[in-house]
Amino acid sequence: EVQLLESGGGLVQPGGSLRLSCAASGFTFSSYAMSWVRQAPGKGLEWVSAISGSGGSTYYADSVKGRFTISRDNSKNTLYLQMNSLRAEDTAVYYCAKDRVGYCSSTSCYGEFDYWGQGTLVTVSS
Amino acid sequence: AIQMTQSPSSLSASVGDRVTITCRASQGIRNDLGWYQQKPGKAPKLLIYAASSLQSGVPSRFSGSGSGTDFTLTISSLQPEDFATYYCLQDYNLYTFGQGTKLEIK
Repeated sequence: EVQLLESGGGLVQPGGSLRLSCAASGFTFSSYAMSWVRQAPGKGLEWVSAISGSGGSTYYADSVKGRFTISRDNSKNTLYLQMNSLRAEDTAVYYCAKDRVGYCSSTSCYGEFDYWGQGTLVTVSS
Repeated sequence: AIQMTQSPSSLSASVGDRVTITCRASQGIRNDLGWYQQKPGKAPKLLIYAASSLQSGVPSRFSGSGSGTDFTLTISSLQPEDFATYYCLQDYNLYTFGQGTKLEIK
């Protein structure tokens, strides 16, 4: 059974940093691209960042480029999101999600997200 | 970036009704589109992938169609558990979600 378990959310001041983790199990982690998707309170879904299965390619939404860094440790089956220079508008539930097909090119990954974690809440406020 | 325009933003319907939700892409995306259902406080659930393929375990009353720029999600006969918010997602070039359609009980 595929399981994704996020952790690391919490309350942080504007300008602060936070690192989210997503522990994966039930599939060959290194074979699939992974993404972070967020949802602000009462709002829709927004894709944040993706990483190829090897970790060699990363992709970001314009809204977080230069502030967030996605990474993965395939030996630990864990996905990370390092979030720096946090803003109030980064307040959201952050989900990790597994790509259905696991293929990435130099410009994008492909395949819908077939499994999601339960989400972790990040609140940016003074 | 590819924009996804989803309509309607909300919809009231009754159990047993047939419902259709549409998504339009700002450029052609082949069939690189999925549909999700989300209930309050829960993660989204994949219903349809590659525009028209039913995800394993999803009831057959859900169907998807379309290619290029115009896509539809159809629920053939609404059940009480189908009242939720629905999103489309393009994965042709990175990822973009539609704004969502909240399906409410009439």
